[in-house]
Amino acid sequence: SQQGEEDPQALSIQEGENATMNCSYKTSINNLQWYRQNSGRGLVHLILIRSNEREKHSGRLRVTLDTSKKSSSLLITASRAADTASYFCATATGNDYKLSFGAGTTVTVRA
Amino acid sequence: GAGVSQSPSNKVTEKGKDVELRCDPISGHTALYWYRQSLGQGLEFLIYFQGNSAPDKSGLPSDRFSAERTGGSVSTLTIQRTQQEDSAVYLCASTGTSGYNEQFFGPGTRLTVL
Repeated sequence: SQQGEEDPQALSIQEGENATMNCSYKTSINNLQWYRQNSGRGLVHLILIRSNEREKHSGRLRVTLDTSKKSSSLLITASRAADTASYFCATATGNDYKLSFGAGTTVTVRA
Repeated sequence: GAGVSQSPSNKVTEKGKDVELRCDPISGHTALYWYRQSLGQGLEFLIYFQGNSAPDKSGLPSDRFSAERTGGSVSTLTIQRTQQEDSAVYLCASTGTSGYNEQFFGPGTRLTVL
């Protein structure tokens, strides 16, 4: 069963705008990761945030984590057409080596 | 450096045939995962290999699915007597040694069962 669920399912924005998507999960986690997938092929790891961290930045990406609400957000600033992709959150729990992926948010950036 | 590679990139087969999908993980990665992704869906965990330990097969959907990993490197996922519902993208990933289990994915094999 899926631990993480992304919201919204789909997002369409103009180039240069910011895109925000959210992930909610059900059980305590060790870390939460965000991945990007282009055209239904392999996923690319974007960023990992540990359970004791609240915010993390990587280039134009900003991730927040609120463990009290069991939620995370991914912000992409100054979006580009190349950011068009599906974005997945994945959670790692306890000693479980498996990641549990959500169903993803599909982002379309219009030129 | 070389990433995770998978072959073939696309496979079209007839219902009832067997197929083999191959994954070459990143050199030195001891953990290897197989996932299945149906159209527009998230990733479904299939199987996990870690070093010489017994694999975690808990995600395999039926006994028609099996996987092996030879020499702790290359892995093959075999689907016997394929069914149309097996059509999906099969993704392989490997994990490095950071301790935080971020996964490195291959490009996937798109399987179509006619």
